[in-house]
Amino acid sequence: RKEVEQDPGPFNVPEGATVAFNCTYSNSASQSFFWYRQDCRKEPKLLMSVYSSGNEDGRFTAQLNRASQYISLLIRDSKLSDSATYLCVVKGGATNKLIFGTGTLLAVQP
Amino acid sequence: EAGVTQFPSHSVIEKGQTVTLRCDPISGHDNLYWYRRVMGKEIKFLLHFVKESKQDESGMPNNRFLAERTGGTYSTLKVQPAELEDSGVYFCASSQVGLVTYNEQFFGPGTRLTVL
Repeated sequence: RKEVEQDPGPFNVPEGATVAFNCTYSNSASQSFFWYRQDCRKEPKLLMSVYSSGNEDGRFTAQLNRASQYISLLIRDSKLSDSATYLCVVKGGATNKLIFGTGTLLAVQP
Repeated sequence: EAGVTQFPSHSVIEKGQTVTLRCDPISGHDNLYWYRRVMGKEIKFLLHFVKESKQDESGMPNNRFLAERTGGTYSTLKVQPAELEDSGVYFCASSQVGLVTYNEQFFGPGTRLTVL
């Protein structure tokens, strides 16, 4: 079983739509959680950290449920520029290494 | 400020040959990481340096891979001899060492390695 599981998609949505991505992780000792964004043939870039209380950054809302070991990302009012792969990422307990999901591909259509 | 840089951007070699990848972290970043993505799989951790010391090399696949960071600045990752399954994109990332739990890891553009 993978340490971080994501639906690979693709998610094809029209501009203006709301889209939600989900992710589960297997290691209950994980301490930090993130969403990274990766454009085609580019490097991953941090989109936002995910906190237990939930956090919002503009059109993006991230939530964490430690009991269910579940992380989500909600994108409201999708833009064409949101098209990318969204990576669910977990940081291990005692180490700094990042553990990635396979990513979910989002394609926003005009 | 310059970001993480990696060289070369692409490398095509034959099975059995040697390839050396280079990573220059952001100036002042003591943490340096190597990750790899093989086709169809997730990005996976290879190893972590703090300055010139290997902090965690649990992700290195086998002894054909050798990473160094002499002087605690740039790092090299050598694959010798290369096998077909080594093909993929090799990412380097760097971060500061600090008091906070997580210092963002900034990724380089990656080296795309193809072994024929």
